[in-house]
Amino acid sequence: QVQLMESGPGLVQPSETLSLTCTVSGFSLTSYNVHWVRQPPGKGLEWMGVMWSGGSTDYNSALKSRLSISRDTSKNQVFLKMNSLQSEDTTTYYCAREDTTVGYYFDYWGQGVMVTVSS
Amino acid sequence: DVQMTQSPSNLAASPGESVSINCKASKSISKYLAWYQQKPGKANKLLIYSGSTLQSGTPSRFSGSGSGTDFTLTIRNLEPEDFGLYYCQQHNEYPPTFGSGTKLEIK
Repeated sequence: QVQLMESGPGLVQPSETLSLTCTVSGFSLTSYNVHWVRQPPGKGLEWMGVMWSGGSTDYNSALKSRLSISRDTSKNQVFLKMNSLQSEDTTTYYCAREDTTVGYYFDYWGQGVMVTVSS
Repeated sequence: DVQMTQSPSNLAASPGESVSINCKASKSISKYLAWYQQKPGKANKLLIYSGSTLQSGTPSRFSGSGSGTDFTLTIRNLEPEDFGLYYCQQHNEYPPTFGSGTKLEIK
């Protein structure tokens, strides 16, 4: 069955770089787009960026200068790296699969990984 | 980017009742609105896409309506497992954008 699972450090120092991994199963990264979405505590969801099935990427314009998404199709993994972390980057980070029926919505999500930015 | 305004932010109801959650887009998104349910410790669940199409596995007590800029999620005959957070998301254009969420609590 389709599964996505985020992993990464729970605590990151201010100004450092966050590295997260989304490990997927039950589908191919070359057939589906995988997105990253984040949610600050008690707040709404913010789209961060996407790894398109063809291998290209797009990013939220507000995060573009700090964000990088890549993948390893042989390991069924999508990676997120974001630099210059600040306290406002303390959020839960999700990866999600985009449904291909219509597009731009998400039929499967990971459970999320909570990241705290603090010294 | 399309701004999504969701209301109310909080809602209290009893099992068996019906509730409605509204979502308004800053410009027309045709029929392309999705609804998600969020519960602690669980993956977000897609309920409805394209405004009114139930995702496989979504109970029929959930329904979505609307087009253009105004949309509604209705839950009839509330079950205990329906309590949680609900989010709308436009999927008409890139980038996808979300509403601010509605917390549905037991009265």
